Amino acid sequence: DADVTQTPRNRITKTGKRIMLECSQTKGHDRMYWYRQDPGLGLRLIYYSFDVKDINKGEISDGYSVSRQAQAKFSLSLESAIPNQTALYFCATSEFPGQGTQYFGPGTRLLVL
Amino acid sequence: DQQVKQNSPSLSVQEGRISILNCDYTNSMFDYFLWYKKYPAEGPTFLISISSIKDKNEDGRFTVFLNKSAKHLSLHIVPSQPGDSAVYFCAASFGNEKLTFGTGTRLTIIP
Repeated sequence: DADVTQTPRNRITKTGKRIMLECSQTKGHDRMYWYRQDPGLGLRLIYYSFDVKDINKGEISDGYSVSRQAQAKFSLSLESAIPNQTALYFCATSEFPGQGTQYFGPGTRLLVL
Repeated sequence: DQQVKQNSPSLSVQEGRISILNCDYTNSMFDYFLWYKKYPAEGPTFLISISSIKDKNEDGRFTVFLNKSAKHLSLHIVPSQPGDSAVYFCAASFGNEKLTFGTGTRLTIIP
């Protein structure tokens, strides 16, 4: 079984809808991250959490919110989806202490119409 | 401000030859550098890393070189194989904090 799983893998939604992307991990890592990937822009950090009680904004957090329900679960919500949120979304984990190597899930492809 | 830059969006290399992927950074505080490999429809996978106290790290066919004075790192793949065709991201961090990624280089190995 994969160490980092994401659901759904693909999602089509309409402008204005609320949507939640979920991430679960079995690696036992405290730290979890949400990224989006856009062509030509690489991976950009949306939110990150260093433990269940610690949530931090990344470089592009506007329009997104997160919830860390447990050490193993980290959800990303789009409160009111807009077309420029169409992207690939990745969840990642890392351990602490450690070097900071992150382990990624398979991604969610989101299309906002 | 792009703190980590990969100036070559794509690179094509003959099978068996050396592939060299480059990455430049601007933040002198970065102390840990990584390379990730990404296939279509999959998440990025960790490939190799290097601490700022080293200038070279080797793992099989993959070697990462770090030139701190030039704020430049490179990934060498020797020999290149068809399975190496993927998008490669470099990333950097300091103090075991969050990673900053480059924009990626698409490597195509020509049989």
